Amino acid sequence: EDQVTQSPEALRLQEGESSSLNCSYTVSGLRGLFWYRQDPGKGPEFLFTLYSAGEEKEKERLKATLTKKESFLHITAPKPEDSATYLCAVQEDNQGGKLIFGQGTELSVKP
Amino acid sequence: EAQVTQNPRYLITVTGKKLTVTCSQNMNHEYMSWYRQDPGLGLRQIYYSMNVEVTDKGDVPEGYKVSRKEKRNFPLILESPSPNQTSLYFCASSLRLNQPQHFGDGTRLSIL
Repeated sequence: EDQVTQSPEALRLQEGESSSLNCSYTVSGLRGLFWYRQDPGKGPEFLFTLYSAGEEKEKERLKATLTKKESFLHITAPKPEDSATYLCAVQEDNQGGKLIFGQGTELSVKP
Repeated sequence: EAQVTQNPRYLITVTGKKLTVTCSQNMNHEYMSWYRQDPGLGLRQIYYSMNVEVTDKGDVPEGYKVSRKEKRNFPLILESPSPNQTSLYFCASSLRLNQPQHFGDGTRLSIL
């Protein structure tokens, strides 16, 4: 069964303390992997798309990387405003338009 | 402003009373999708549509219907709602399959 697993479920950091979030997936062929940020009471907001192993994308304090089995979201010197739930989603080849989300990592950054 | 608009934002109703949640996008997107979000289960796809008159099941389609008669609209229909459909629902759209999705602000449904 196709799966997307995110770890850790929750992460508490001090402001400035860098860390990484993990998204591992088991699909037979990856069409695309997406990272989203979700604030309480809001819809997910797009961050990055990765399509092939070795690809990296960067935006401000965030950097997303992709291997054949997992993706990492690296957060460098986080600030309190980076606190949110980060979601990973995978679209598989030959599965039409299905999109499978992981359960998310809830990030809290304390000043 | 580019957006995905869902209505209503909140609804409390009773078992068996048919309801429709509307979703509209103004970005001329081909792909639209409905999700439900439940604590501990994350976001799960209900139905999606890759273009007008083309719809397909996601992971949790039971108890739901959709239609895509026009490109901009993708309503979610609950013909006979039950309490296990109490959830937070999101509509999303993207230019095409495999493109980033824009999400609406969500509809919180409570079915008593």
